[in-house]
Amino acid sequence: QKEVEQNSGPLSVPEGAIASLNCTYSDRGSQSFFWYRQYSGKSPELIMSIYSNGDKEDGRFTAQLNKASQYVSLLIRDSQPSDSATYLCAAYTGGGNKLTFGTGTQLKVEL
Amino acid sequence: NAGVTQTPKFQVLKTGQSMTLQCAQDMNHNSMYWYRQDPGMGLRLIYYSASEGTTDKGEVPNGYNVSRLNKREFSLRLESAAPSQTSVYFCASSELPNEQYFGPGTRLTVT
Repeated sequence: QKEVEQNSGPLSVPEGAIASLNCTYSDRGSQSFFWYRQYSGKSPELIMSIYSNGDKEDGRFTAQLNKASQYVSLLIRDSQPSDSATYLCAAYTGGGNKLTFGTGTQLKVEL
Repeated sequence: NAGVTQTPKFQVLKTGQSMTLQCAQDMNHNSMYWYRQDPGMGLRLIYYSASEGTTDKGEVPNGYNVSRLNKREFSLRLESAAPSQTSVYFCASSELPNEQYFGPGTRLTVT
């Protein structure tokens, strides 16, 4: 069983809408969580990190963490076509300085 | 400040050939990582180096070796390439707590 699960998508949203990307994890010891954006043919780019329960906002991005439900989400407000990419969720369990990645959700923002 | 650099960008090998993928970072990070990314499988950790002088196996180490040459450089060697090693290889580095930054990747094809 994959330790970090994401729906592969594609998730299609119209331009200007809110895109909601979700991630669940199985290891209750996971301490911190990260969202990466990966454009086709490019490398993953870190866009958000969250370490405690609640919301963290950065521009149009909001990361939400609920450790009781083992759930992490990324909201993208005012979605733009340039947001079309695959979004990878990653969890850090504190052992060996390693991250565990989900397989990613493909987001398509349509004009 | 180049961040994480990788060479080569593309490589085609015949089965049984060997090669070394090079990675360097200029962010003075202690930890470095090698991942492979395959369609539908997400990012899988091959080897990592938590600090200079140490290396450890990740999720899929078979068929690979690594060398942490110094704090800046971390190389990945394929001793006898197999078609199953056709993949995109990413190097990453991090300080703490585990916000990893990725290089541009190497696309490897083994025929």
